[in-house]
Amino acid sequence: QKEVEQDPGPLSVPEGAIVSLNCTYSNSAFQYFMWYRQYSRKGPELLMYTYSSGNKEDGRFTAQVDKSSKYISLFIRDSQPSDSATYLCAMTPYSSASKIIFGSGTRLSIRP
Amino acid sequence: EAQVTQNPRYLITVTGKKLTVTCSQNMNHEYMSWYRQDPGLGLRQIYYSMNVEVTDKGDVPEGYKVSRKEKRNFPLILESPSPNQTSLYFCASSLITGTGNQKNIQYFGAGTRLSVL
Repeated sequence: QKEVEQDPGPLSVPEGAIVSLNCTYSNSAFQYFMWYRQYSRKGPELLMYTYSSGNKEDGRFTAQVDKSSKYISLFIRDSQPSDSATYLCAMTPYSSASKIIFGSGTRLSIRP
Repeated sequence: EAQVTQNPRYLITVTGKKLTVTCSQNMNHEYMSWYRQDPGLGLRQIYYSMNVEVTDKGDVPEGYKVSRKEKRNFPLILESPSPNQTSLYFCASSLITGTGNQKNIQYFGAGTRLSVL
């Protein structure tokens, strides 16, 4: 079993829809959770960084962590075609850990 | 502009022919890392380096070598490439030092797509 599970998609939604992307994990030691966005032919770039359980909002993006269920989510409101990308969740047990565990990524497509 | 630069971006080679993928960062980061990305498997860490002359294995180090002689450069070496090393490779850097509470926020290069025939 992988440490981090992420549905690969692809996920296709109409412009303006609310998107929900999710990951589950098995290691209860993970405390720091990240979402990276990766456009085609580009490297991943950090989108959201959260610590422990709770919600964090940044513009149209909300990251949610439920440590009791070992489940994290990324919500995108008012989705735009420019949000079309692969989204990777990532996590680590402490902030300066040298190893980050990545999910396999969910490919998202926003239809105009 | 702060960036991580990988070269080449695309490479086709044959089994057994040694190759080097270069990585350079201009952010004075101490931490650098190499990943490979394969469909369904996500990003898997090959090697990482916490500082000059300090390197360590990641999850999939077999068949790869690295060196860190200078802070800004972290080349990935395939001494005898094989077809199972066909993949998309990413170099990343971060400001963590291993002794503080910095966040390991990684900045990635644009990737090197390698095909080994």
